[in-house]
Amino acid sequence: SQQGEEDPQALSIQEGENATMNCSYKTSINNLQWYRQNSGRGLVHLILIRSNEREKHSGRLRVTLDTSKKSSSLLITASRAADTASYFCATDGWAGSYQLTFGKGTKLSVIP
Amino acid sequence: SAVISQKPSRDICQRGTSLTIQCQVDSQVTMMFWYRQQPGQSLTLIATANQGSEATYESGFVIDKFPISRPNLTFSTLTVSNMSPEDSSIYLCSGRRGGATNEKLFFGSGTQLSVL
Repeated sequence: SQQGEEDPQALSIQEGENATMNCSYKTSINNLQWYRQNSGRGLVHLILIRSNEREKHSGRLRVTLDTSKKSSSLLITASRAADTASYFCATDGWAGSYQLTFGKGTKLSVIP
Repeated sequence: SAVISQKPSRDICQRGTSLTIQCQVDSQVTMMFWYRQQPGQSLTLIATANQGSEATYESGFVIDKFPISRPNLTFSTLTVSNMSPEDSSIYLCSGRRGGATNEKLFFGSGTQLSVL
């Protein structure tokens, strides 16, 4: 089964800097989603990008998708201490699977 | 957005006992899932909770160990049976408004389980 693999596993930056996280996956997808998790609690959906889209923006978030490389990136601009969390990508299956497969996540620490 | 409430938020249990986790969703949610997140790891799907019938389990998870009920559209329980320290994880209830994967998942706040 496919699985998103994020890198880096952990990222520490200063407040105000940009944070970039990457996700790679193995098989074809319909869409890719990014989620955020604070301190081991429930996940919150951030953004979804479809396989026919290359870039999407939402506030300070920018997501790109390169289906030829089977990879996606999440950019958080002008980071804040409140952005400290773990970020996961999740992919579906091209063959109509209703399930999402989550990657291992990137733990982001934003230092005030 | 859909509302999902999950309880308990955490528990410490003795080996060999069982814990039942409850999940209540609002009427916007049609599909419900249970995930496990082992320490420092990603989420692994345990099963899809089906209304009024047996849950659909993923490879590596069995009904005897993780019995799931969904008696109506908005309520589900997951029981972790005969617990061992290896069951220490965060258990997450999630839901989606439709069957398509272009719908986002909503999550409960999770149950942090520690087994001694």
